[in-house]
Amino acid sequence: QKEVEQNSGPLSVPEGAIASLNCTYSDRGSQSFFWYRQYSGKSPELIMFIYSNGDKEDGRFTAQLNKASQYVSLLIRDSQPSDSATYLCAVHNDMRFGAGTRLTVKP
Amino acid sequence: DTAVSQTPKYLVTQMGNDKSIKCEQNLGHDTMYWYKQDSKKFLKIMFSYNNKELIINETVPNRFSPKSPDKAHLNLHINSLELGDSAVYFCASSQEGFGANVLTFGAGSRLTVL
Repeated sequence: QKEVEQNSGPLSVPEGAIASLNCTYSDRGSQSFFWYRQYSGKSPELIMFIYSNGDKEDGRFTAQLNKASQYVSLLIRDSQPSDSATYLCAVHNDMRFGAGTRLTVKP
Repeated sequence: DTAVSQTPKYLVTQMGNDKSIKCEQNLGHDTMYWYKQDSKKFLKIMFSYNNKELIINETVPNRFSPKSPDKAHLNLHINSLELGDSAVYFCASSQEGFGANVLTFGAGSRLTVL
């Protein structure tokens, strides 16, 4: 059974801090990895994807991928209250999601 | 213009009934999906179609039957509804290609079974 694991949280950080979200996966054949954000009552929306080992930065967001250790993480720098949401990790080849981590950024 | 549209947005029905949820995408994507999100917010893939062909069929009760009349539409029919079917059902689409399988989601259809 292919698995995608995330700590369900909740994770709480103060405004301006770095939020670190982690995801592990079991299928070594997975090629690409996605982070989605879901606000309460809304549909998931893409933050970024990564498919090469290392870091990928987009504004305040950095995705990190380590295929040897089978984990992918998302760092959010200078966290804002508007970042409060559930963050979902998804793994291609079959677009399977983790359980999501609920993040709260406190002013 | 809505990229992925689902109808109905809300559906309240009695146990034992049969209901359908419709999904349409105007993005020209080849692949469409159905996901179920339960009260614990876990987003579970149910089905995936690529150009009208079923490519992912997770372990779901056979009361759930997807139908894709063309690559822009993927409908979900549920027979003999049960209380545990209450959830938000999301339709999504993507375009196949390495590193480019970004999902675009519909707004969701909240199903409540009484």
